[in-house]
Amino acid sequence: SYELTQPPSVSVSPGQTARITCSGDALPKKYAFWYQQKSGQAPVLVIYEDNERPSGIPERFSGSSSGTMATLTISGAQVEDEADYYCYSTDSSGNLWVFGGGTKLTVL
Amino acid sequence: EVQLVESGGGLVQPGGSLRVSCAASGFTFSKYWMHWVRQAPGKGLVWLSRISGDGSNTTYADSVKGRFTISRDNAKNTVYLQMNSLRAEDTAVYYCTRAPFWGQGTLVTVSS
Repeated sequence: SYELTQPPSVSVSPGQTARITCSGDALPKKYAFWYQQKSGQAPVLVIYEDNERPSGIPERFSGSSSGTMATLTISGAQVEDEADYYCYSTDSSGNLWVFGGGTKLTVL
Repeated sequence: EVQLVESGGGLVQPGGSLRVSCAASGFTFSKYWMHWVRQAPGKGLVWLSRISGDGSNTTYADSVKGRFTISRDNAKNTVYLQMNSLRAEDTAVYYCTRAPFWGQGTLVTVSS
């Protein structure tokens, strides 16, 4: 079965740049999506199709993808960005979707 | 405004069955693929299944294939997840989603 691999945790100080990676064999051909989930809440899409930002998402959130790795970058991370972040994509067939294991971002 | 409202969760015994539903509004339901995702307590998100707009195409994660069935009723703007042979490890909040929109989830607890 297909897997997306993320680091379990990332920690930065306020104002620093946080980078969360996601690796998967199909990423060269399939888009990555990124979700933010705060405690007790439903996930919120912060990046779609590798690098597009939905309306209402702060500009400090950006995405990129190169080869088998997608990256979510939070430039000037703020305390309110503390959350779990999940990458989301499909296998090479496009039929099976999968989430990465999630990355807990700590900003303090 | 797009809204997704799940219902049908509850306590079920191991080996039992349960059907959860998701009522959609605010968009042309029949035009969109719909997905089910779950999250066990303290764990990550897990994609389970998806169904095409007309209901003719479905796919499942290996972990639920053969036990769970996704379906939809476009006249009622509702998508369903029928869950059979439930196990303790199926305990989770079940979400329906039509990217980027999510419902609030419904809790399914499998326990004797």
